[in-house]
Amino acid sequence: EAGVAQSPRYKIIEKRQSVAFWCNPISGHATLYWYQQILGQGPKLLIQFQNNGVVDDSQLPKDRFSAERLKGVDSTLKIQPAKLEDSAVYLCASSTPWSGGSPLHFGNGTRLTVT
Amino acid sequence: GESVGLHLPTLSVQEGDNSIINCAYSNSASDYFIWYKQESGKGPQFIIDIRSNMDKRQGQRVTVLLNKTVKHLSLQIAATQPGDSAVYFCAENIRGYKLTFGKGTLLTVNP
Repeated sequence: EAGVAQSPRYKIIEKRQSVAFWCNPISGHATLYWYQQILGQGPKLLIQFQNNGVVDDSQLPKDRFSAERLKGVDSTLKIQPAKLEDSAVYLCASSTPWSGGSPLHFGNGTRLTVT
Repeated sequence: GESVGLHLPTLSVQEGDNSIINCAYSNSASDYFIWYKQESGKGPQFIIDIRSNMDKRQGQRVTVLLNKTVKHLSLQIAATQPGDSAVYFCAENIRGYKLTFGKGTLLTVNP
């Protein structure tokens, strides 16, 4: 099966500019996640969708980050305006929803550099 | 808040040896645990998972052990190969909600 697709792979912007990332999950996976991974750290959950509804966005900096999944498939994550500390890899993941837990399948991420 | 942590940030082993990567978790309500492998420039790759009603699970060359009494998780890799060199993360979950990652252990396999 095709994996989680993300684009672009790399993005360099100046602080205060805006940027958007795109994710296409594995077909049939209703749950979609965006994680932020700062160099040398484990991924940190930003937002979790179930179909097109938000399950958890408690760690999303809502003053500058936004995400949507309008049709319950693809998702976009936007940062506006970007700060230097937003430099990180942004990972998208998807899974089948199950209260007992199921593995998340990750894309290869978008590496963002804010200068 | 409660979080998952790792005892050793780096581990260096000889090719062919067995590797053990440890992880401590503090949330006693966690009921599902996953080990991920992450190679440079790639996303985390699923290795093996275990639910809280089990204390051991085996895969191909990997074994995960769960000790709920001391809130400890370990990943054992048998006959470690150079291709196993990567960062390994443990992650915990509660009822399929909000998978939380630890900081990771860098495994280096020397030929």
